[in-house]
Amino acid sequence: EVQLVESGGGLVKPGGSLRLACAGSGFTFTNAWMSWVRQPPGKGLEWLGLIKSKTDGETTDYAAPVKGRFTISRDDSKNTLYLQMNNLKTEDTALYYCTTMAGGGCYDWGQGTLVTVSS
Amino acid sequence: QSALTQPASVSGSPGQSITISCTGTSGDVGGYDYVSWYQHHPGKAHKVIIYEVSNRPSGVSNRFSGSKSGNTASLTISGLQAGDEADYYCSSYTTDSYTSSSSWVFGGGTKLTVL
Repeated sequence: EVQLVESGGGLVKPGGSLRLACAGSGFTFTNAWMSWVRQPPGKGLEWLGLIKSKTDGETTDYAAPVKGRFTISRDDSKNTLYLQMNNLKTEDTALYYCTTMAGGGCYDWGQGTLVTVSS
Repeated sequence: QSALTQPASVSGSPGQSITISCTGTSGDVGGYDYVSWYQHHPGKAHKVIIYEVSNRPSGVSNRFSGSKSGNTASLTISGLQAGDEADYYCSSYTTDSYTSSSSWVFGGGTKLTVL
């Protein structure tokens, strides 16, 4: 059974940084394309970006609103995906999910970790 | 990219069929056969129920079906059951209008109530 467990969320001040992690199990993490998605309170889902597998170049794509502030990386030796978030804004407050990518979209999902940006 | 448009809510009685629409543009839904649908029960992980417009993952009931016409994708649930009450989201592949890189866009979500 695929399991994705996010961690690292919390309260951070505007302008601050935070690194989220997502531990994967039950699948071959090394071969998986992975992504991050968020959902602000009372709003819809927003795709943030993805990282391809090492064999596919480990390249990344980002959504325009977060490009340059957020960085996705992976450590295949730890089966872990990361999201480094810098210069955080109040509008970054959201539940952050990691997902596998397959079938042309997000496939398996974690249950999310909450990030609150507030002074 | 603008979010895809879904109705905020739909409802149906047990045994009935309902359809949830997901309207985009030629740049997303209409341009690619990469539409997915997700079911979300509060407190649980999102579950993919349809991928690539009409494909069902192993283990997903054949009561769930997907289709697409032009810029609108649809999810149909037949033989409604109480356990189908959940939030449903669509998503589509697109390309970022600024960077031309791969991107995905989601619908705002539809709350299904089983009466």
